[in-house]
Amino acid sequence: GAGVSQSPSNKVTEKGKDVELRCDPISGHTALYWYRQSLGQGLEFLIYFQGNSAPDKSGLPSDRFSAERTGGSVSTLTIQRTQQEDSAVYLCASSLEAWGQGEAFFGQGTRLTVV
Amino acid sequence: DQQVKQNSPSLSVQEGRISILNCDYTNSMFDYFLWYKKYPAEGPTFLISISSIKDKNEDGRFTVFLNKSAKHLSLHIVPSQPGDSAVYFCAARGWNYGQNFVFGPGTRLSVLP
Repeated sequence: GAGVSQSPSNKVTEKGKDVELRCDPISGHTALYWYRQSLGQGLEFLIYFQGNSAPDKSGLPSDRFSAERTGGSVSTLTIQRTQQEDSAVYLCASSLEAWGQGEAFFGQGTRLTVV
Repeated sequence: DQQVKQNSPSLSVQEGRISILNCDYTNSMFDYFLWYKKYPAEGPTFLISISSIKDKNEDGRFTVFLNKSAKHLSLHIVPSQPGDSAVYFCAARGWNYGQNFVFGPGTRLSVLP
C-alpha cells in the first residue's frame, strides 16, 4: 500500500485478555517504530526495529508488552493480560532508514480500550 | 517528568493571521527537532524540522525558530488557513536517545474562518 497500515483501527477488550496489534509499514522501509498516546499525553516511544538488528525495547512499559517484526516487514505488538491503563492509541511509524533526519510516516493508529 | 512541553493545550486564531505554537524542552542533549501535525482519526504527518546548528528553518507558510539558550522552539504559520486546524506535536531527539524521538503532548490549533 501507499502508506503505513494498522489494524484493527479500534479494539475493545476485557481486562486480563491478550491483544495483538498489527502494523504494515511502507514497502522498503527498514525502520519501524511503535508509539502510544494516552489521553492528554504526548506520543510515548515503545520499541524500534532497524533492519536485522536487535530491536530497541527500552520504551516497553512492562514485560506484558512484546513486539516482533517478521521478515523485516510486518510488525505485531502484543499486550498480555491487558490492564485499563493500557488504553491508548497505538501508533506505528516507518522510515526508509533510521529516523535520524527528516520524516517518519505514521499509520492511523489503533485505539485500544480495556474495559 | 515531561522533557518536551507544550504548555498551551489549545490555540484559536483568525484565518489570515499568524499562528504561533510554542515548545519547551529540558534536555540540553536534544539536537534535532520536528513538528508533526495530526488530524482526527489520522496518524501524525511530518511538517518541518530543525537541527540545533540552525536557529531558523522555513518552508512555505511554516517557519520554525530555535532558541537553544532558552531551550525553546516555536512554529509560525503565516497566513493561517482553516485547513491548518489540527493538533501539532513538537518532538526532540538527542544523541543519547538512539533513534527515537520524545514528543510533547500537543497543541490543538483552531483557525477560525
